[in-house]
Amino acid sequence: EAGVAQSPRYKIIEKRQSVAFWCNPISGHATLYWYQQILGQGPKLLIQFQNNGVVDDSQLPKDRFSAERLKGVDSTLKIQPAKLEDSAVYLCAGRGAGGRTDTQYFGPGTRLTVL
Amino acid sequence: GNSVTQMEGPVTLSEEAFLTINCTYTATGYPSLFWYVQYPGEGLQLLLKATKADDKGSNKGFEATYRKETTSFHLEKGSVQVSDSAVYFCALTIPGYSTLTFGKGTMLLVSP
Repeated sequence: EAGVAQSPRYKIIEKRQSVAFWCNPISGHATLYWYQQILGQGPKLLIQFQNNGVVDDSQLPKDRFSAERLKGVDSTLKIQPAKLEDSAVYLCAGRGAGGRTDTQYFGPGTRLTVL
Repeated sequence: GNSVTQMEGPVTLSEEAFLTINCTYTATGYPSLFWYVQYPGEGLQLLLKATKADDKGSNKGFEATYRKETTSFHLEKGSVQVSDSAVYFCALTIPGYSTLTFGKGTMLLVSP
């Protein structure tokens, strides 16, 4: 089966600019997560979707970050306007149903550099 | 709150050496415990997991045992290879919530 797709893989922008990241999880994975991984730290959850509904966005800086998953399949994460501290790798993960419900499958990530 | 603490890296070993990466956790309830690995340029991959006390997860020669009494889940491998060079993350989920809480990661460098 195809893995989790993310694009772009790398993005460099200047502060106050906008940026968007795209994720397509494995087919059938109803739960989708966006994590932020700052250099030298472990990933931290930004938002979790179940199908097209938000389950947890308590850690999402809503003044500048937004995310959607309109059809319950692929998802977009946007930052507007970006700050220097948003420089990080943005990871998307999906989780299916059934016997392996604990396992999250991660994409390769998008590395964002804000100058 | 829930948290995971890992030993700081990098851990530098010669090929065929024994590996231990320490991981301890703080969590409400009885968490499930995971080790993820991140190879250069790739996404996180699940290496192994354990869902209850005294369970041992194992994969690719790596193993870790869920120790409730010491709240630990140390990763071990008897003989590392150069291809094991990567960053290893210990993580947990708590019952009823699927979100992973990660440690900071430990870089492993294996030289020939």
